[in-house]
Amino acid sequence: AQKITQTQPGMFVQEKEAVTLDCTYDTSDQSYGLFWYKQPSSGEMIFLIYQGSYDEQNATEGRYSLNFQKARKSANLVISASQLGDSAMYFCAMREGKSFAGTASKLTFGTGTRLQVTL
Amino acid sequence: DGGITQSPKYLFRKEGQNVTLSCEQNLNHDAMYWYRQDPGQGLRLIYYSQIVNDFQKGDIAEGYSVSREKKESFPLTVTSAQKNPTAFYLCASSREGAYNQPQHFGDGTRLSIL
Repeated sequence: AQKITQTQPGMFVQEKEAVTLDCTYDTSDQSYGLFWYKQPSSGEMIFLIYQGSYDEQNATEGRYSLNFQKARKSANLVISASQLGDSAMYFCAMREGKSFAGTASKLTFGTGTRLQVTL
Repeated sequence: DGGITQSPKYLFRKEGQNVTLSCEQNLNHDAMYWYRQDPGQGLRLIYYSQIVNDFQKGDIAEGYSVSREKKESFPLTVTSAQKNPTAFYLCASSREGAYNQPQHFGDGTRLSIL
């Protein structure tokens, strides 16, 4: 079974509108973290936002916010006031288990959603 | 500025040849990772290292090898045993011991077969 599922291969949004990118996850761990990354056409991966499994509030970072529904195992990214520069691939990723000093935090990535912002 | 440097940006491999991708970080991170990305796909973990002189296989380690002789450096060798090496390779690093620390990525290396 897929651990991270992004069901929208492509999305279009008009400039200045809000858009939601879906992400569902599958884990039996109680401790986990969810990350969203942006990948422009140049290829680098840019960290956007993080949500921990024990966080009671939805994460926000500027125009990015996370709609975290733990019971549904979903962590959807909301981008408000879309800009042309938001056009990129967006990846949801999960780290399972606790993070201890000296241990690596392996991430499992979804297949991504390509977002195109139009005028 | 601190960051991760991958080189070269583009690399071509001949049949039967081993090639090495460089990854250097000056973020003082303990953990480093190598991912492979195929067109239209997510990232898959090849190898990771928690500390100098130690590394573990990821999900798709066959045909690849790594070393971690220095904290700053984590080179990846694509061996001739990797029959389908054409892909985009991304190196990452992270701090450990803190729950919410993201992985930081380099700009990637595109590997193609001649």
